[in-house]
Amino acid sequence: GAGVSQSPRYKVAKRGQDVALRCDPISGHVSLFWYQQALGQGPEFLTYFQNEAQLDKSGLPSDRFFAERPEGSVSTLKIQRTQQEDSAVYLCASSLGSGPRAPGYTFGSGTRLTVV
Amino acid sequence: QQQVKQSPQSLIVQKGGISIINCAYENTAFDYFPWYQQFPGKGPALLIAIRPDVSEKKEGRFTISFNKSAKQFSLHIMDSQPGDSATYFCAASRANQAGTALIFGKGTTLSVSS
Repeated sequence: GAGVSQSPRYKVAKRGQDVALRCDPISGHVSLFWYQQALGQGPEFLTYFQNEAQLDKSGLPSDRFFAERPEGSVSTLKIQRTQQEDSAVYLCASSLGSGPRAPGYTFGSGTRLTVV
Repeated sequence: QQQVKQSPQSLIVQKGGISIINCAYENTAFDYFPWYQQFPGKGPALLIAIRPDVSEKKEGRFTISFNKSAKQFSLHIMDSQPGDSATYFCAASRANQAGTALIFGKGTTLSVSS
């Protein structure tokens, strides 16, 4: 596809449910980042993959958050036992290189998660 | 501790006017300062970016001014148009090392009235 694709666009989960959010990066992009954007705030870094290796997960807020990218392309962010404070837009970004200045650093439109 | 502070939170500008958004940063190791534009329901899109070795960068109606000694940078939108109405985020990052994430400000909601 032409851009970073995220699904679902919207997700409503009951408190305590597990959710899985998918990111399809631009084909050939080595790096993949997940960010969390709370309402009225800027995006905050969660985790980073270079190909299939998760090189930085320092931004994951708790051990209920887990991300994987097993074949170096599609990535899934999983949140277990969702809490109301997990309600946010989850953004995925991918790029050809390894940093924010790398060519093609592009964000997807995000998944809006609402925990009720 | 908020590493990138952005102001104002919201801004209303008349069509044709100049929109000015300011950011200040703490970490002197930052060396890449982009501005992103976000429309409702969309992800942030890169607008313009600057490195600290220059004091100003202009692309069309958008200009970044950078003051390294004050650790401040700003976005100027000249001849503001209703289509510029969006949320703008400043950001910063360290050198282009593997996995360096962007640190974002809290955003400025710009409304351009016609």
